Amino acid sequence: SQQGEEDPQALSIQEGENATMNCSYKTSINNLQWYRQNSGRGLVHLILIRSNEREKHSGRLRVTLDTSKKSSSLLITASRAADTASYFCATAGMDTGRRALTFGSGTRLQVQP
Amino acid sequence: DGGITQSPKYLFRKEGQNVTLSCEQNLNHDAMYWYRQDPGQGLRLIYYSQIVNDFQKGDIAEGYSVSREKKESFPLTVTSAQKNPTAFYLCASSWTGTGTSGSGEQFFGPGTRLTVL
Repeated sequence: SQQGEEDPQALSIQEGENATMNCSYKTSINNLQWYRQNSGRGLVHLILIRSNEREKHSGRLRVTLDTSKKSSSLLITASRAADTASYFCATAGMDTGRRALTFGSGTRLQVQP
Repeated sequence: DGGITQSPKYLFRKEGQNVTLSCEQNLNHDAMYWYRQDPGQGLRLIYYSQIVNDFQKGDIAEGYSVSREKKESFPLTVTSAQKNPTAFYLCASSWTGTGTSGSGEQFFGPGTRLTVL
């Protein structure tokens, strides 16, 4: 099942602009994670935010989590052409019988030089 | 170097054949996972294993089988029962989540692209 849904599905911006991607999910979570995937490659972990956290920063990345709205956002500031990739949110649910992540459908980001 | 490897990078299968995808990790992780990714889509969980000699079905296990005889290895067999196996297959590993911490960061291999001829 696809718990997370990213919005927008695709985003094209100019280098130097900020990129914002949103993720919505359906069930209660322990944590939410963001991953990046370059075309034809494996995923790389970017950041993890726990259910009791509201905001987290890592370099040019800022993640927010609103558990009341079951949503998260990923902001990439001062984007670079090298940020071109697909970005996925993934949720770790509260169900201890399923110790696995559920991934969303992703946002494809294109940063124009 | 620590990491997770998958082989082969590209695999071609004829109708009715079983094929096995390899996944190896030297990160000393207890948990390993297999995902399927179709073009322009997210990842769907096929099987996962939290410990040696134990594994659980994911969301799309039909037509697939796995084994976990060693901590380092989690091979995936795509059987002839899988009617539409053409996809990109990703293996991942992680530390096992403890208590209420949930699943943590997963480390991914480079993937195997399977095509049915």
